Amino acid sequence: GAVVSQHPSWVICKSGTSVKIECRSLDFQATTMFWYRQFPKQSLMLMATSNEGSKATYEQGVEKDKFLINHASLTLSTLTVTSAHPEDSSFYICSARAVFGRVSYEQYFGPGTRLTVT
Amino acid sequence: SQKIEQNSEALNIQEGKTATLTCNYTNYSPAYLQWYRQDPGRGPVFLLLIRENEKEKRKERLKVTFDTTLKQSLFHITASQPADSATYLCALSGTASKLTFGTGTRLQVTL
Repeated sequence: GAVVSQHPSWVICKSGTSVKIECRSLDFQATTMFWYRQFPKQSLMLMATSNEGSKATYEQGVEKDKFLINHASLTLSTLTVTSAHPEDSSFYICSARAVFGRVSYEQYFGPGTRLTVT
Repeated sequence: SQKIEQNSEALNIQEGKTATLTCNYTNYSPAYLQWYRQDPGRGPVFLLLIRENEKEKRKERLKVTFDTTLKQSLFHITASQPADSATYLCALSGTASKLTFGTGTRLQVTL
């Protein structure tokens, strides 16, 4: 149980275009999803917290107009990188907080999306 | 500012030995501490969670300790196997469940 999927697993796009990444919780409902970015040989950095039905909360230094987050349902959150530039190339990972009849603080992560901007 | 450090970037041990990974933190009073495993090009996989009022937790060959006085957690893998080779991340959170990750330790188990 507690499986999270991401689509696509990798994407190459041209500078200036927008890319949408989907994150789905497959066998549970997730009121809260998180988006992380990971650069090579570095740890995960939280970008934003996405709550179903409300606006996302962005971490300091993350441009909300550049990284658009939509959490339209209890099983789907999307991250859109707008006007992508080469410096946005990174590994983007989402996670979902599973709640099985009680408050739970374990997070289950998707497999990640490798974004390369040329 | 909050800081989470994990011991050495890489740890090499022989198969069958116990691997011990360290996570130290400063300027933080976490309610929860979690350990994750990450393989190259993959997302982290949840392993164990320990609460601030717990001293130790076990799951199969894994054991985690949490010392809030020392501000340290130790993660042990007993009878290590080559398949345990991966990067291990510790992560801290308060009650808001927002995770702050450590730098990670790359474990290599050799035959």
